[in-house]
This record gives sequence, structure tokens and C-alpha cells, in this order.
Amino acid sequence: AQSVTQPDIHITVSEGASLELRCNYSYGATPYLFWYVQSPGQGLQLLLKYFSGDTLVQGIKGFEAEFKRSQSSFNLRKPSVHWSDAAEYFCAHSNDMRFGAGTRLTVKP
Amino acid sequence: NAGVTQTPKFRVLKTGQSMTLLCAQDMNHEYMYWYRQDPGMGLRLIHYSVGEGTTAKGEVPDGYNVSRLKKQNFLLGLESAAPSQTSVYFCASSYPSEAFFGQGTRLTVV
Repeated sequence: AQSVTQPDIHITVSEGASLELRCNYSYGATPYLFWYVQSPGQGLQLLLKYFSGDTLVQGIKGFEAEFKRSQSSFNLRKPSVHWSDAAEYFCAHSNDMRFGAGTRLTVKP
Repeated sequence: NAGVTQTPKFRVLKTGQSMTLLCAQDMNHEYMYWYRQDPGMGLRLIHYSVGEGTTAKGEVPDGYNVSRLKKQNFLLGLESAAPSQTSVYFCASSYPSEAFFGQGTRLTVV
């Protein structure tokens, strides 16, 4: 079955530390992939997207993600996390706009 | 520029009642989606539409019906609400590139 998997339900990092959130997909065709962020009680905001070309994509708020076809992955990264980054993060695939289960990020002071 | 608008924003239903959630988009997008979000479950796709007059089932379609009579509107219906349908419902539209989301409808079934 086609799916998007986020293996980490909850991650805690210290402010200023680096971050990597994992996303794996199981679609056969060339994917369109997305990362969204949701702050508590809010809707979803697009962080970045991958359609084709350069496998390292830059997004808003200092986030980036790298598409690795050989690993079927599209991991989200940020070099230095800020307290305001605490939120829930979702990976999605555009074939039928299915989402992963999400990763909740907690930032320690 | 309204984007994606959901109505209502909050609703409390009694078990067995029916209701319709309205999603309207002003971006001329072909694709529209309905999701439900429950704690620890992420976003689960209920139904979607790839164009006016078309609908398709997603991951969790049981207990819901949808209609896309006009390109800009996508309606989600609950014919006989159950407590298990207590959730936050999100509508989204796309071209299909990235999806744009509404602010959500918090539905409680008692």
C-alpha cells in the first residue's frame, strides 16, 4: 500500500541544537513531497516542497529537507532550533495528499 | 484573498443528528480534500475530489458522504453522527501542487 511514514512520534531537542525529522514514503512513481507545520490550535502551514531537480530544498523559517530516492526518504532538518519551532510536523505525498502521522517537537530551554 | 474557508468553526451534535460541513476555496483549484485529525493519529483522509462532479474515498470514508457540485465548494456530510466522529475536520485544496488548508472545524458528538 502507498504510504507516508514518520517513525518518530515525539522528539525533544534543546534550543540551539540541530534537528532532523524523518519521513519515508512507499510510492513507486517520482513523488511530490511536502513538509507542513501545525502550531497548537492552528491550521497547517507549508514549510517546503520537493517536485524535481535539486534534491536539497530550502523552506521557510530556516528549514531544509533532502530527497533521497535510494532511501525513499525526505527528512527535514534545521541547524539551530528556536523555542518557537515547538509544533507538530507532518510529511505528505501529493499522489493523494496522504499525510504521515506527524512528529511532535518539544524544545527545551 | 480568503483562500480556503470552512464553516462552521465549532459544532456540537447529539448522537444520530445530521450535519453538513462546507468548504469553499477561491483559488480555482481542481483538487479538494477532507481530513479528520485526532490525537496521535495525524491527518487521515476521509474523501477527496479531483474535479467538479467527482469524489473518491480516502482512508476513513465510513459514516461520511461528500459532494462537489461546484468547483469551489466541497461538502462533507454526516447523516447520523456518532461519538466516534468527534474530531477536528480540515478541508484543503490543491492544483495539485501543495495543499492549502482551512482553519478547521471542531466537531463534538455527545
